[in-house]
This record gives sequence, structure tokens and C-alpha cells, in this order.
Amino acid sequence: KQEVTQIPAALSVPEGENLVLNCSFTDSAIYNLQWFRQDPGKGLTSLLLIQSSQREQTSGRLNASLDKSSGRSTLYIAASQPGDSATYLCAVLNTNAGKSTFGDGTTLTVKP
Amino acid sequence: NAGVTQTPKFQVLKTGQSMTLQCAQDMNHEYMSWYRQDPGMGLRLIHYSVGAGITDQGEVPNGYNVSRSTTEDFPLRLLSAAPSQTSVYFCASSRDTSYEQYFGPGTRLTVT
Repeated sequence: KQEVTQIPAALSVPEGENLVLNCSFTDSAIYNLQWFRQDPGKGLTSLLLIQSSQREQTSGRLNASLDKSSGRSTLYIAASQPGDSATYLCAVLNTNAGKSTFGDGTTLTVKP
Repeated sequence: NAGVTQTPKFQVLKTGQSMTLQCAQDMNHEYMSWYRQDPGMGLRLIHYSVGAGITDQGEVPNGYNVSRSTTEDFPLRLLSAAPSQTSVYFCASSRDTSYEQYFGPGTRLTVT
């Protein structure tokens, strides 16, 4: 059974800092890995999708990498801003039956 | 495009009542799914569908039914509500199983 872990559970940084969020998974048989952002009381907003054949994806200040062999993905946020404060979730889409497994998320607070 | 829409936004039920949570998408996506989100347990897959007329169980299907008579709609039925079904329910869709998932805004359900 696929297990997805996100460490740390919470992170607080001053504005302007570069930071890395981690996502690890136990089964490397995946189609893709997707990073989401969730604001309190809201739905999930897709940030980046990395296909299993790719190593990384970039969107603005965000860069996500994928290393299937080690079962790890990282989300790099450059020059963090208070508006980046949210919970960040990663989800892996398993090749077995095409089901997604989510991590519990990392709650990020960026202080002005 | 409206994307993925869910109704209602909030609902309170008494134990034993039944109801249907509505989900619709206007992106002609084949893959649709239902998740529940609970504190400390992350997002868990309830049911999913890879196309009209095809549905399958996820991780936590007990107490819920689904049907997919059209590409656009994927309703979730609670047969006899229980307090354990108090949760936030999210519907998601994607072009197919290997593409980016898009989430609706969620339905916050309380069962008393």
C-alpha cells in the first residue's frame, strides 16, 4: 500500500526566505506526483504536476523535483511572501488502479 | 469554464437521514473522484470513475454510493448518515487518470 509522508508538518519562516518542502512515498510505481495548495476553509489549488518520466517542473517562484528511485519529491519556494502562507499537499497517482494517495500536508506560515 | 462545482456548500443532517452531494464539471474530463478530508487523516478517496457508466471503490467507500450517468456529473449519495461521516467532502476531475486533478470548493457536512 502506498504511503505518502510530508515533513515537516508545520514550518514558520520570515518573509524573503527560500524554503523547501518535502514529500516522500514508499512505492515508486507512480504515474505522476502533484503539489497542491490549500487555504483555510477552501478547496485545493493545483500548483505543479510532475509526470513520472520528468525530473522537475517550474512555475514562477515554485520548483518541484521528483526522484522516483529514492521515493522523494521537493517543492522549492523562492523569496517567500506572506501570501504563500497555506497548507501544501502532495499527491501521488499510483499506477496500480490509478488511485491517488495524499500526504497530510505541511502548513507554512510566512511572517512579514 | 466554471471548472468543478459542488453543491451544497454546507449541510447539517440528522443521523439516519440520506442525501446527495452534487458534483459537476464542464471540462469534458473522463476521470472524477470523491474525497473526504478529516483532521489528522488527510484526504481519503471514497469512490472514483474513469468514465460515464464506470465507477469503482476507493479507500473508504462504506456508507456511500455513486453513479456516473453522464460525463459531467458525479453525485455522491449518503445512504443513512452517521456522525462518523461528518467531514469536508471534495470532488475532483482530470482529463484521465494520468493528468492534473482539479478540485471543487468542497461541501462541509455535519451529522448530528
